[in-house]
Amino acid sequence: GESVGLHLPTLSVQEGDNSIINCAYSNSASDYFIWYKQESGKGPQFIIDIRSNMDKRQGQRVTVLLNKTVKHLSLQIAATQPGDSAVYFCAENIEQAGTALIFGKGTTLSVSS
Amino acid sequence: ETGVTQTPRHLVMGMTNKKSLKCEQHLGHNAMYWYKQSAKKPLELMFVYNFKEQTENNSVPSRFSPECPNSSHLFLHLHTLQPEDSALYLCASSQDLLANEQFFGPGTRLTVL
Repeated sequence: GESVGLHLPTLSVQEGDNSIINCAYSNSASDYFIWYKQESGKGPQFIIDIRSNMDKRQGQRVTVLLNKTVKHLSLQIAATQPGDSAVYFCAENIEQAGTALIFGKGTTLSVSS
Repeated sequence: ETGVTQTPRHLVMGMTNKKSLKCEQHLGHNAMYWYKQSAKKPLELMFVYNFKEQTENNSVPSRFSPECPNSSHLFLHLHTLQPEDSALYLCASSQDLLANEQFFGPGTRLTVL
């Protein structure tokens, strides 16, 4: 069955707002998590990752938060822009296990001007 | 661009046709993957190759036949497909099986009539 999922299939925000996309995972043994962005007509593209020894990691305009207690992952996008409109996927695996990533369903983010 | 190319980008085929999807990566990676992406479903891993050897077949029907002649090229041969096989087929590569980040191609949009 699916190990990783997202709370909401769609999210609509105004340009300039902050966006928060959530993901729940069920495998407590997972120790690596990654967020992908998929724009229309393109394949998924890496955004940011985090390992289980961290609670927070920041990139350019994006922050990933990991709450291992409740097995929850979130992606925060600051000052959301129209170019951020895409489907966002979280994925998990157990590092060094040599197994492939398990993906969630995805959240479609729509940014209006 | 991610360094992973896929051809064709779009394919329409009848149920009795035989066609092949091609993937090429220019990243020097050793692991390559085929995924199926259907609407409103998570990415489904189909096949994994590591150093040209198949390491995972995720219970994929035999009407899908992968081929990996070298670490840079991956094919997916299709024959007697069903309409429910219509989907976006994504190829990805990673440095090796232990590398978490996978680089995706743009996908082939397949329609089976």
